[in-house]
Order: sequence, then structure tokens, then C-alpha cells
Amino acid sequence: LAKTTQPISMDSYEGQEVNITCSHNNIATNDYITWYQQFPSQGPRFIIQGYKTKVTNEVASLFIPADRKSSTLSLPRVSLSDTAVYYCLVKSGAGSYQLTFGKGTKLSVIP
Amino acid sequence: SAVISQKPSRDICQRGTSLTIQCQVDSQVTMMFWYRQQPGQSLTLIATANQGSEATYESGFVIDKFPISRPNLTFSTLTVSNMSPEDSSIYLCSVVPTQSDYEQYFGPGTRLTVT
Repeated sequence: LAKTTQPISMDSYEGQEVNITCSHNNIATNDYITWYQQFPSQGPRFIIQGYKTKVTNEVASLFIPADRKSSTLSLPRVSLSDTAVYYCLVKSGAGSYQLTFGKGTKLSVIP
Repeated sequence: SAVISQKPSRDICQRGTSLTIQCQVDSQVTMMFWYRQQPGQSLTLIATANQGSEATYESGFVIDKFPISRPNLTFSTLTVSNMSPEDSSIYLCSVVPTQSDYEQYFGPGTRLTVT
């Protein structure tokens, strides 16, 4: 599985758009990119998954360039409740259940 | 979606003892997994709990240390055996609902401290 690299931490003010970029240079043709969110003292929660171009749901957008060597999770107008750790994962196939978690990005939203 | 509960939510145990963690899901699920999250660290997959057969363990984890049961499609247990302080972690179960293509749902975790 491709190794992922993402910033250890980020700070943002409330109401701003936050973009978290993940690098996965060795991504394979069948690999998908998925993001999870983890609040303190809770298990991770699925945010979004994509293969290429752009995917949007009610929570976030995921941008994947044509070479798929990186991806960007975009959170619109963050609030204090978005303070969490965000994990970028690469999966072998859309339906793969094997999740390999990296260190994640700790997002702190400041009032 | 799936609602997952774990028991106990936390425990403090003495070294050399064993603890069994329960994971209960509100619906039948195909896939169940057990993860460990050491303090300040990311999650590591321990094993896949297979219904009706032995669990499949990841590298570095063995059945004698982490025996797993999966008696039906809604329940699983993970036992942490002969505990040492290095086993102090949060243990989480996760499931993939039958109707889900890829989304995994995680339980709240069991915080284990070994003294």
C-alpha cells in the first residue's frame, strides 16, 4: 500500500476554509483515497472517499489531481467542533476493508 | 449505518491478568475488526474477526496474546492475555455493514491501563 504523508498539525480560525493535503506518491492504479476524522475519546468516523477529480458530500470535498499522487481534503467554514485528527488513507480497491492509518493531521480550530 | 457499543469503556488491570472486551453491533455485519491505539499514536489493525472461523491476525499480533471470538454476525470479543504495561492502549472494534460498500464504523473504544 502507498505510504501517506500529511502535516502533523494545522491551526485555523472559525469560519475559514481548511485544506489538508496528503501526499501518496506510490499510489497504485486500483487504490482509492479515503479520509477519516477522529475526535478525542472516540473512534474514527468516515468522511469521504474518492478515486480521481473531485468528490463532494455534505461534510467535505476531496480534490484529487490527474496524477493522483496527492489529495486535498477541504472543510468549508470550520467551527470549533471540527477540532479533531484527520487521517488520509490509501486503500487497495474501493471495497477494501484493510485500513492502514498514518499519523494524521491534528486540526485545531481557534475562536 | 451501524451503532456499536463496547464493554467495558475503560478498565485498570494488574499485569499478568487478562481482560475480555466485548463489541456489540445493532445489526448484522459481514466484517468486524479489532484495532489498537496506543497513547498519542495512530490506529493499528490487530485482526479481522471472522464469523464461524479463526480470526486473521496482522503481523506482530498472535492468537495466544489476543484471542478473538465471533460467535455470530453482531458480536465479537477480544481478550488481552497476560497483560503488561505495554498493553495499555485504547482497543477499538470496527464493522462494515452489509449494505456498505466501503465505509467502516468504529466503536467508542475501550481504554485499558495496565499497572
